[in-house]
Amino acid sequence: GAVVSQHPSWVICKSGTSVKIECRSLDFQATTMFWYRQFPKQSLMLMATSNEGSKATYEQGVEKDKFLINHASLTLSTLTVTSAHPEDSSFYICSARGNGGATNQPQHFGDGTRLSIL
Amino acid sequence: AQSVAQPEDQVNVAEGNPLTVKCTYSVSGNPYLFWYVQYPNRGLQFLLKYITGDNLVKGSYGFEAEFNKSQTSFHLKKPSALVSDSALYFCAVRDNDGGFKTIFGAGTRLFVKA
Repeated sequence: GAVVSQHPSWVICKSGTSVKIECRSLDFQATTMFWYRQFPKQSLMLMATSNEGSKATYEQGVEKDKFLINHASLTLSTLTVTSAHPEDSSFYICSARGNGGATNQPQHFGDGTRLSIL
Repeated sequence: AQSVAQPEDQVNVAEGNPLTVKCTYSVSGNPYLFWYVQYPNRGLQFLLKYITGDNLVKGSYGFEAEFNKSQTSFHLKKPSALVSDSALYFCAVRDNDGGFKTIFGAGTRLFVKA
């Protein structure tokens, strides 16, 4: 089945550091990937939709300059949290639709990245 | 606007008993419906989906869900619960008549007691 690999799984860093999270589709091409943020005991909050070769579409309230998304190939999207602060600490999850992104396909998720900013 | 509701924060069931995790939805067009499961510190795993056809959908790990258009529900069920089924379950809906954005419910935590 479709596999999405997310790296790193855990990051602890100092306030002010920029952190890059990678999301790869291992056995399928993903023209569209999704980045979510999940707070403890809460549902997923869609941050942005990443489109290969074009600018990401950010949800209302998400700072595009804070959360930089790059989707340079059909198998890789990256999320960079710039100048991270403690309030950015969270669980970030990426996702991609299988079968080239057909709308009737389920989303396949990475294992998430737990980001802790000290 | 589309929405999905999971009315129960938590469901407790004894091992071997049947389980139901409830989900209701609201979309303007025809829905695509999904169930996912999340284990601690992991991403979501796809369980099953309803796109069209039979209202009873069978998925992974013995789970099934029934699409009820009149009640706008898509409850997740399993005839006999296992302790290993304990996890966080998310219902999701996608409106296939526009936008195609997936909306996730708040999640229901399932506890299966041995």
